[in-house]
Amino acid sequence: KAGVTQTPRYLIKTRGQQVTLSCSPISGHRSVSWYQQTPGQGLQFLFEYFSETQRNKGNFPGRFSGRQFSNSRSEMNVSTLELGDSALYLCASSRDRGRQLYTEAFFGQGTRLTVV
Amino acid sequence: DAKTTQPPSMDCAEGRAANLPCNHSTISGNEYVYWYRQIHSQGPQYIIHGLKNNETNEMASLIITEDRKSSTLILPHATLRDTAVYYCIVRVRSGGGADGLTFGKGTHLIIQP
Repeated sequence: KAGVTQTPRYLIKTRGQQVTLSCSPISGHRSVSWYQQTPGQGLQFLFEYFSETQRNKGNFPGRFSGRQFSNSRSEMNVSTLELGDSALYLCASSRDRGRQLYTEAFFGQGTRLTVV
Repeated sequence: DAKTTQPPSMDCAEGRAANLPCNHSTISGNEYVYWYRQIHSQGPQYIIHGLKNNETNEMASLIITEDRKSSTLILPHATLRDTAVYYCIVRVRSGGGADGLTFGKGTHLIIQP
């Protein structure tokens, strides 16, 4: 069974550009969440998508956005990149059996974004 | 979600049991305790979770005190591959396992050969 796949693994962008990262969840998983990891702030929740709808959102500026497609694949976009956006961006998927049921989350290897 | 406190680092000899503590004194009755770990340069990996009863799976055991104010993750026979940062997370159970998890700084567990 394939795991969560994130592409690309590494990316270098220039300040002011925009970037799109991709996440393919495990087959059958409909919930996809995104996290940013930096040495200073640690792992921080960006947003979660379920059935093509954003269901939960962390405390990040509007430059960070995402979407989910009908096949549950997800993309996140960061516009007007800043040096501080350099981070490891992680995607996690889970099956989601309902609002009151926890399901194990599986994380991808992440995309390491460097803004210069 | 309740806040957790973990020691920043711990050492353990290979082959011995690794016991990782977590304090969550403000935990509410409907909040669960979850443990994840992150091996260097990889995404976090789910280990185990529980509400009030002790739990065991193929990776680890979770011991939660009767008052639920603290818990201990036990890796019964630690190997070098268990060297990682271990995160204790407390949250209300909800759909979507990775939805809004609050990761603290965790405990950096180093397994010594």
